[in-house]
Order: sequence, then C-alpha cells, then structure tokens
Amino acid sequence: KNQVEQSPQSLIILEGKNCTLQCNYTVSPFSNLRWYKQDTGRGPVSLTIMTFSENTKSNGRYTATLDADTKQSSLHITASQLSDSASYICVGKTSYDKVIFGPGTSLSVIP
Amino acid sequence: GAVVSQHPSRVICKSGTSVKIECRSLDFQATTMFWYRQFPKQSLMLMATSNEGSKATYEQGVEKDKFLINHASLTLSTLTVTSAHPEDSSFYICSARFGGELPRAEQYFGPGTRLTVT
Repeated sequence: KNQVEQSPQSLIILEGKNCTLQCNYTVSPFSNLRWYKQDTGRGPVSLTIMTFSENTKSNGRYTATLDADTKQSSLHITASQLSDSASYICVGKTSYDKVIFGPGTSLSVIP
Repeated sequence: GAVVSQHPSRVICKSGTSVKIECRSLDFQATTMFWYRQFPKQSLMLMATSNEGSKATYEQGVEKDKFLINHASLTLSTLTVTSAHPEDSSFYICSARFGGELPRAEQYFGPGTRLTVT
C-alpha cells in the first residue's frame, strides 16, 4: 500500500534556529518525492523534488535529503525565519503518476 | 514559475444553493487539472482529475453528481458544488499539470478557495 508518513506532527522553534522534518515513504514504483510548503489559507508551493538517483537537493535555506534504501527523506531548514511558519508536506509520486500526500508537519517559528 | 489562479478565494453560501469555483492556468496550457479538498489540520485529498475535453475521473467516495467538474479549455477548469450543505464547507484547491513527460511533469497549485456553507 502506498503511503507517506511525516514526523513530527507539529514543531515549535525559536527564530534563527535550525530544524529537521522527517518523511517515511512507501511509494511503488517510485518516481520522485517532493517537499511542499503550505502557508495557512494558501495552496502548496514546491520546495524541492528528488528522484531515485538524487540524495540531496537545496533551495536556499531548505535542504532535502533522500535515502532510497531506507525510504526516508528529510527537510532541513537553517536559520529559521518567522515566515517559515507553515505546514510542510512530503509528497511521493509513482511512475504511474499517482500522487500520495503526507499528513504534513506544522511548523511554528516564534520570536 | 507557472501560475495557477482560483476564483473566488472565499465564498459563503446558504445551504441548498450551488457554488462554482474557477481554476485557471495563467501562463501555460494544462491538459490535466486536479481538484483537492482539505479539511482543517489535514492534508489534501484528491477529489477528481479533470482532463480537457473529456469527463472527469472521480476518486472513490466522491459524488460526481454533487461535485460537477468541467474542463472546457486548456486553461480553465470549474468545480460546481451543487446543493451545498454545511458538511461541504472546506478548503478547495486545484492544481494544473505543466510540462514534461509523465511522471516528471510538475503540478502547480492554486491559492485555494475557502467555502463556508451556512
């Protein structure tokens, strides 16, 4: 069964600190994995996309990793800002174009 | 990046009325658009896949007679919630697929429409 799990469910950090969000996926046949940022009341915005052969990808202060052996991905945010407060969604995609959404991690950055 | 718009962004309607939500791809042609529903503190749930010029494909459990989808052009898909009830209150998000061969095609999401049925 295809599924994507994320942890933690929610996280509160101080502005300027780093954090790492986790994603465990069972997606078969695997095509790619994306991380999205969704601000409250807005649609998701893609941060990174990784295929089977890519194990790290950066987008500014966001760095995503992918371990195809353990089927785990992480999203690391460095020097967090108040504007990073959002829901972060891990999304797996199969080779048949089926998209599986994770439940998201709600991140709150406080001053 | 590609832009997808939705209209309206927020709508309040009375129970029993119908509401139409528009989804437009502003700078690209989208042969396929997707409609999602999102309840508070939950992730997106795919409702249906809309293909230009053909009938939409609905996910299991989604009533096609209640959620009418029309994809009349390569840049516009509409979702009509018919005879809306309070339990239909939700955040509706569309996305449009852009470029490349499957499965590398990118999905761009609209900003969402908040529907409240009173």
